[in-house]
Amino acid sequence: GAGVSQSPSNKVTEKGKDVELRCDPISGHTALYWYRQRLGQGLEFLIYFQGNSAPDKSGLPSDRFSAERTGESVSTLTIQRTQQEDSAVYLCASSLAVLSGANVLTFGAGSRLTVL
Amino acid sequence: GDSVTQMEGPVTLSEEAFLTINCTYTATGYPSLFWYVQYPGEGLQLLLKATKADDKGSNKGFEATYRKETTSFHLEKGSVQVSDSAVYFCALSAGSARQLTFGSGTQLTVLP
Repeated sequence: GAGVSQSPSNKVTEKGKDVELRCDPISGHTALYWYRQRLGQGLEFLIYFQGNSAPDKSGLPSDRFSAERTGESVSTLTIQRTQQEDSAVYLCASSLAVLSGANVLTFGAGSRLTVL
Repeated sequence: GDSVTQMEGPVTLSEEAFLTINCTYTATGYPSLFWYVQYPGEGLQLLLKATKADDKGSNKGFEATYRKETTSFHLEKGSVQVSDSAVYFCALSAGSARQLTFGSGTQLTVLP
């Protein structure tokens, strides 16, 4: 697609429920990232996928968080047994794979999660 | 670990005022540096970048110079417009890391 698409744009859930957030990256972008943005705070790295390589999961805050990506397409971020502190905007980004650290990320508009 | 420290907001300016948003960083090696902007209701988008010392990134009248000696990448614009109202994020990418490390963001409001 023309940009990074995320769904749902807004999700309200009850504490203890599981949620799934979806990201559809730009076609041809082999790298995909998930970030979390809490209210009034910066972006917190969660996980990074690059092609068929093992993902970098170093930013996942707990084992309640997991993410999957099939090939170079859609990714799903799953949060199990949601807690109120999980309330945030979850941002997905994609980029072309580059060798250096100067790759430019294109972000989606985010999925706003509210846990009651 | 790598980190980015940004000037705290919010910042409120009148149209045509001069803008500076400070950004300093801590990183191993020689990072690439970025400014991203988030307009209301939209996703983050790249504003400008610099990949080595003394490089100047520029776009839409905004500029930032990569200063290795002061580990800084301050964002400047000579004359802001109401349409520049947004949240600005400084970020870096260092070493073999592919993800970006972001600052906390600075909210800019420009009044007519």
